[in-house]
Amino acid sequence: GESVGLHLPTLSVQEGDNSIINCAYSNSASDYFIWYKQESGKGPQFIIDIRSNMDKRQGQRVTVLLNKTVKHLSLQIAATQPGDSAVYFCAEHQAGTALIFGKGTTLSVSS
Amino acid sequence: NAGVTQTPKFRVLKTGQSMTLLCAQDMNHEYMYWYRQDPGMGLRLIHYSVGEGTTAKGEVPDGYNVSRLKKQNFLLGLESAAPSQTSVYFCASTRPSGTTDTQYFGPGTRLTVL
Repeated sequence: GESVGLHLPTLSVQEGDNSIINCAYSNSASDYFIWYKQESGKGPQFIIDIRSNMDKRQGQRVTVLLNKTVKHLSLQIAATQPGDSAVYFCAEHQAGTALIFGKGTTLSVSS
Repeated sequence: NAGVTQTPKFRVLKTGQSMTLLCAQDMNHEYMYWYRQDPGMGLRLIHYSVGEGTTAKGEVPDGYNVSRLKKQNFLLGLESAAPSQTSVYFCASTRPSGTTDTQYFGPGTRLTVL
């Protein structure tokens, strides 16, 4: 079936580097996408979302890019900090259904 | 606001026992969801509710039942627990706004079935 997935299960970066976490989706009917951050022992926390009629959206230190041509979503974190270490999930929304989550990418930030 | 709360935080069951997980939200959200999360996996939807008195099946509903008697509460029941139901369970809620449908999650319940 159609699903949302992430390219890499783990990503290791140095503090201060920029991080890019990728996600591929397969359903062109999805109307928006959300990135969540999950720290150990906690529930997922909303980071940023983007509607399907946009190709870029910026937040505080984060940018989400959407490429509908290749059905690709990315989350860019600027000046990555140790506190950014977590599992990051993308999720897609299709009208009339609940969110579909990818498997997650574990981001490890070393000092 | 407390947001989304879940009780209990941890539970150990023996195979065949039953239990109910409680989710409560104080944000007046219409929609509520139950997910399970297994190691290396994303969140998989068990059941959800689009309003008081209504429930619907998600991706992995077998072995679970739910009830939404009050708008602020969403209960997940296991009638006869199995080791395959060992998981971390998350509840979420949202108020569909017509623009985005951001879900707010609870802290999770870690369930072990022996």
